[in-house]
Amino acid sequence: DAKTTQPNSMESNEEEPVHLPCNHSTISGTDYIHWYRQLPSQGPEYVIHGLTSNVNNRMASLAIAEDRKSSTLILHRATLRDAAVYYCILRDGRSGGSYIPTFGRGTSLIVHP
Amino acid sequence: GAVVSQHPSWVICKSGTSVKIECRSLDFQATTMFWYRQFPKQSLMLMATSNEGSKATYEQGVEKDKFLINHASLTLSTLTVTSAHPEDSSFYICSAAPGSQPQHFGDGTRLSIL
Repeated sequence: DAKTTQPNSMESNEEEPVHLPCNHSTISGTDYIHWYRQLPSQGPEYVIHGLTSNVNNRMASLAIAEDRKSSTLILHRATLRDAAVYYCILRDGRSGGSYIPTFGRGTSLIVHP
Repeated sequence: GAVVSQHPSWVICKSGTSVKIECRSLDFQATTMFWYRQFPKQSLMLMATSNEGSKATYEQGVEKDKFLINHASLTLSTLTVTSAHPEDSSFYICSAAPGSQPQHFGDGTRLSIL
């Protein structure tokens, strides 16, 4: 699976929107973009994923660049509970049972009250 | 939604003890599960891929005799840290997914070896 790069950390104020970027310049046409987040002392949790079109769910929005070489996870109103490490990873939609999820360093989001 | 349950949440034991960690997929079958180790302020490091009914696939540098993995059913994988030592102290996490859906992770096991 193609690699992703994310900023090490970002800061936000409570109730403000947060835009977390992810670069994946070597993404292939069949790679899905997945976002997970890990709260302190917990296992990661799924946030959102997409292929080409922007996606929205109750947790966040995912904006995917037209060339798919980058994407942005959008938290519309950050809360203190959103303070976590956010991971962007790619999954080849053709990989089926051979998919092995691996994680980079992710972005540590700090939310100020 | 799909749930992965990991047990125990934390373990404290003496050096030389073997520790077993269980990972269960509660409402789906998982032919493949993944085991990770995470040190403080670091990312998840994949240790091995657990395959139901066959041997696990270990990542480079992970001792298979040290970290025994058993995946005897479609809903249960176990990781046994044999003869644990203080350097094995870490946060261990498992994951699985129904089919090609996104991964679901256990809550992790905090292992402390005295």
